[in-house]
Amino acid sequence: SQTIHQWPATLVQPVGSPLSLECTVEGTSNPNLYWYRQAAGRGLQLLFYSVGIGQISSEVPQNLSASRPQDRQFILSSKKLLLSDSGFYLCAWSATRVFIRGGANVLTFGAGSRLTVL
Amino acid sequence: GNSVTQMEGPVTLSEEAFLTINCTYTATGYPSLFWYVQYPGEGLQLLLKATKADDKGSNKGFEATYRKETTSFHLEKGSVQVSDSAVYFCALTSGGGFKTIFGAGTRLFVKA
Repeated sequence: SQTIHQWPATLVQPVGSPLSLECTVEGTSNPNLYWYRQAAGRGLQLLFYSVGIGQISSEVPQNLSASRPQDRQFILSSKKLLLSDSGFYLCAWSATRVFIRGGANVLTFGAGSRLTVL
Repeated sequence: GNSVTQMEGPVTLSEEAFLTINCTYTATGYPSLFWYVQYPGEGLQLLLKATKADDKGSNKGFEATYRKETTSFHLEKGSVQVSDSAVYFCALTSGGGFKTIFGAGTRLFVKA
């Protein structure tokens, strides 16, 4: 079965420090990968998605970046954190080719990483 | 662009009460519609889905019907339990797309 791991679970960082959140998926190949952010009391904002190694699409201009160095690894980074970067970050994956099979793009989420920037 | 609007919370109900959480959407083409649930401190998990008009998604006593004429996908449950306390998100993926757009979420509290 497929599993998704995301770490660290909790992170407290000072303003201006770097960030690296990591996500890995097991039990599937060539997944679509996503980073979402959930600010306190708000909905989910899609930050990045990737349909293959080295292919990153950015949805929101900001000081965050994403990379996909391996098929099932997705990394969210920042060189210098801002206070506004605080939030709950969620990694997710979905299966490719679902549309060919007539299915729906179902997302499976990791447990999330709570980032507090002080 | 595509968007999802769902009723603001929090919604507070007593155990065994009837639940409705409204969701309407704006999308081009024929989107797939979803309800995800988030329990405290956890990531989201799929609750139910529907991929075409008049489809009814159901799971764990929850139901939602894809209404294209009213662009709605309201979530219902006949008798809620304390364990249903969570945040519920309505979402859509436009046909052929990879991006899922979420509503703001509705927090549900169920009192014993």
